Amino acid sequence: QKEVEQDPGPLSVPEGAIVSLNCTYSNSAFQYFMWYRQYSRKGPELLMYTYSSGNKEDGRFTAQVDKSSKYISLFIRDSQPSDSATYLCAMKTGANSKLTFGKGITLSVRP
Amino acid sequence: NAGVMQNPRHLVRRRGQEARLRCSPMKGHSHVYWYRQLPEEGLKFMVYLQKENIIDESGMPKERFSAEFPKEGPSILRIQQVVRGDSAAYFCASSPPNLSTDTQYFGPGTRLTVL
Repeated sequence: QKEVEQDPGPLSVPEGAIVSLNCTYSNSAFQYFMWYRQYSRKGPELLMYTYSSGNKEDGRFTAQVDKSSKYISLFIRDSQPSDSATYLCAMKTGANSKLTFGKGITLSVRP
Repeated sequence: NAGVMQNPRHLVRRRGQEARLRCSPMKGHSHVYWYRQLPEEGLKFMVYLQKENIIDESGMPKERFSAEFPKEGPSILRIQQVVRGDSAAYFCASSPPNLSTDTQYFGPGTRLTVL
């Protein structure tokens, strides 16, 4: 079993849709959770960073963490064509430790 | 504030040659991480370095790969005697020394192609 599993894609939605992206993990030592966005042939860009169960909101993005179920989600409201990218969940056990990534899901938002 | 810089952005090598990938962390950052992204796969951790120290190399292949982060200058990921399976995008990330803000910021990557 992989440490981090991410819903497979690709995912295509119409502009304005609500998008839900999900990851599960098996290592209960993971304490810090991140979502990165990666445009084609670019480096990953940090979107959200959380370390506690619950929700964290930033503009159109909401990150949700459920440590008891070992499950994290990223919600994108009012999706835009510019949101079309690959989304990677990542997690780590402590400060200044390596990130373990999900495989990524490619999202396409149709105008 | 300049971001993480990597060079070259693209590198082509023939089998058996050496590849040297460079990473300059963000200003004020003293921690460097290297990750590899193979086609159709997620990012995989390779090595974590601080100035003049390798902290965690659990993701580094045992042979042909080495990394350093000298007191002066960029971090270097070195691949000796490259093989076709080394073709991938290599990303460097840096984070500040302050543990309360240890977010990793990624560079644009170096795309290595082995012919």
